[in-house]
Amino acid sequence: GNSVTQMEGPVTLSEEAFLTINCTYTATGYPSLFWYVQYPGEGLQLLLKATKADDKGSNKGFEATYRKETTSFHLEKGSVQVSDSAVYFCALRGRTGGFKTIFGAGTRLFVKA
Amino acid sequence: GAVVSQHPSRVICKSGTSVKIECRSLDFQATTMFWYRQFPKQSLMLMATSNEGSKATYEQGVEKDKFLINHASLTLSTLTVTSAHPEDSSFYICSASRIRGDTEAFFGQGTRLTVV
Repeated sequence: GNSVTQMEGPVTLSEEAFLTINCTYTATGYPSLFWYVQYPGEGLQLLLKATKADDKGSNKGFEATYRKETTSFHLEKGSVQVSDSAVYFCALRGRTGGFKTIFGAGTRLFVKA
Repeated sequence: GAVVSQHPSRVICKSGTSVKIECRSLDFQATTMFWYRQFPKQSLMLMATSNEGSKATYEQGVEKDKFLINHASLTLSTLTVTSAHPEDSSFYICSASRIRGDTEAFFGQGTRLTVV
């Protein structure tokens, strides 16, 4: 079945540092890929998405590129802020088998001032 | 557009009682809705998929008699936790998609259930 693997956290960075959170997936066919962010005590917010190979999703300085050859969708940001502290989930939505959205384990990011 | 609303956002119930959580698509018709459960500091685990007018499909290990799902209309799905116990305390999140092949499902804000 489909699955998502993302790097374990927590990740602790200083403000203005470069962020990478790795995400790889296993899926049948060509899924859509997503990064969601969850702030403490809140629901999910869609951060960015890509629906086909080589697409780059971007939002609020975050970027991720759909790499079919490496089955990856790594999240990057050039300069993190304290307000980016949250849990980040990589997810995929398959195009078959019920069109479920499957989530990775989540990576907690702490950004220090 | 594509707003999904859950109600209530928080609920506290006594052990042994049942609680119903609503998931509504406010500005689109949702052919499919999904229910997830999230334990503290963990990921979202899919519980079930519901299609309007038909029985829900439950993931392995999810008790269908415990978690009753009704998708009676194209804009409303409900999750009823029956005979709730403290171990059912969790964050429940729904999502909805407009058409079967939609590239994205839209998520509600979640419901935090506490069973005392």
